[in-house]
Amino acid sequence: AQKITQTQPGMFVQEKEAVTLDCTYDTSDPSYGLFWYKQPSSGEMIFLIYQGSYDQQNATEGRYSLNFQKARKSANLVISASQLGDSAMYFCAMREGQRGYNKLIFGAGTRLAVHP
Amino acid sequence: SAVISQKPSRDICQRGTSLTIQCQVDSQVTMMFWYRQQPGQSLTLIATANQGSEATYESGFVIDKFPISRPNLTFSTLTVSNMSPEDSSIYLCSAEGTGGPGGELFFGEGSRLTVL
Repeated sequence: AQKITQTQPGMFVQEKEAVTLDCTYDTSDPSYGLFWYKQPSSGEMIFLIYQGSYDQQNATEGRYSLNFQKARKSANLVISASQLGDSAMYFCAMREGQRGYNKLIFGAGTRLAVHP
Repeated sequence: SAVISQKPSRDICQRGTSLTIQCQVDSQVTMMFWYRQQPGQSLTLIATANQGSEATYESGFVIDKFPISRPNLTFSTLTVSNMSPEDSSIYLCSAEGTGGPGGELFFGEGSRLTVL
């Protein structure tokens, strides 16, 4: 059974600072994908970044990067130069197997508050 | 990416009634996924809907309570039957995008149900 763990219920960061949101996962499938989503107070789910289990390099998307440590089964999200608009819930998710036919399982989420 | 429209966006329902949520995708997709997000919680997968076959339900969810239809490759419905206050949640429809490498899910804006 797959499992996603986010141990930080809430995080605070000063505007313009970097912040790391933790995510660990558990799977026995050698092929999997890891995702991060942002959910602002409006409720929409916004896809941020993806890391495949066979990817050699850490994924980056603008101010978002994923610190992928395969041996430790961790996939932490790093947000650089935080902005007030980054205040939201952040969810880590995992899919076992190949794209197209498999579900995403979500972690409990981390609420990030960016302070001016 | 995929654009997903859901309706209703919100509703207030009476105990014992049923409500059907509609989900429309702007492109043909193989799988559609229905999630529930209870207040302050993460997303929990209800079922996976594949066109032309019965939906596959996750543990804790049954077809009698959450019947799903998938008449074609762009549309699905989720019915919440015989509602109780415990069914008050946001229900989200999702489908896999076609552009990204990881097959990330894109979500509708959600249907916020309040059961009195």
